[in-house]
Amino acid sequence: ETGVTQSPTHLIKTRGQQVTLRCSSQSGHNTVSWYQQALGQGPQFIFQYYREEENGRGNFPPRFSGLQFPNYSSELNVNALELDDSALYLCASSTTGSSYNSPLHFGNGTRLTVT
Amino acid sequence: RKEVEQDPGPFNVPEGATVAFNCTYSNSASQSFFWYRQDCRKEPKLLMSVYSSGNEDGRFTAQLNRASQYISLLIRDSKLSDSATYLCAGSLGGGNKLTFGTGTQLKVEL
Repeated sequence: ETGVTQSPTHLIKTRGQQVTLRCSSQSGHNTVSWYQQALGQGPQFIFQYYREEENGRGNFPPRFSGLQFPNYSSELNVNALELDDSALYLCASSTTGSSYNSPLHFGNGTRLTVT
Repeated sequence: RKEVEQDPGPFNVPEGATVAFNCTYSNSASQSFFWYRQDCRKEPKLLMSVYSSGNEDGRFTAQLNRASQYISLLIRDSKLSDSATYLCAGSLGGGNKLTFGTGTQLKVEL
């Protein structure tokens, strides 16, 4: 069974730039969720994708956007980077069903530093 | 008030001790709850789901109290390798969109 993989593992960007983070979901999972984890905090829900459509969004501005592809992989895009965007970005895959939603399984994250 | 609240710790305990963490949540409609373990600079890993009937996995026991809106995690016979941050999470928005607490740091010492 292939787990959740994220790329890149580390990234350094300058304020105002744009970044794309990538995630391959665990085999058999149809849902991808993205979380932002600042130092000393718990993960904060950004959004979730199911069947290639956004299926819920947390309290993040529109410059955070995403995509899910037919193979269930996903991208997180952040435009106009700000210093406060520096964090660990976590992708989690799961299965959404009519009567059961599986727990989230996280990838190893992308650590983004904005200077 | 935060939707999910945890005592950040750190909890410093000797090896072999029993330690308990509590986590409170504000949304009574929350459906599913979980405990995750996170090692320093790593991703959270699912430790266990939490059920109203209580569930046990080896040295770990999780409990959900819906009336008082809290979940708990009990670790018996602590090992040095249990040192980590323990995150509680609930599906406050429904489905599997989880809201996490800030985490409780555990340090098990010789």
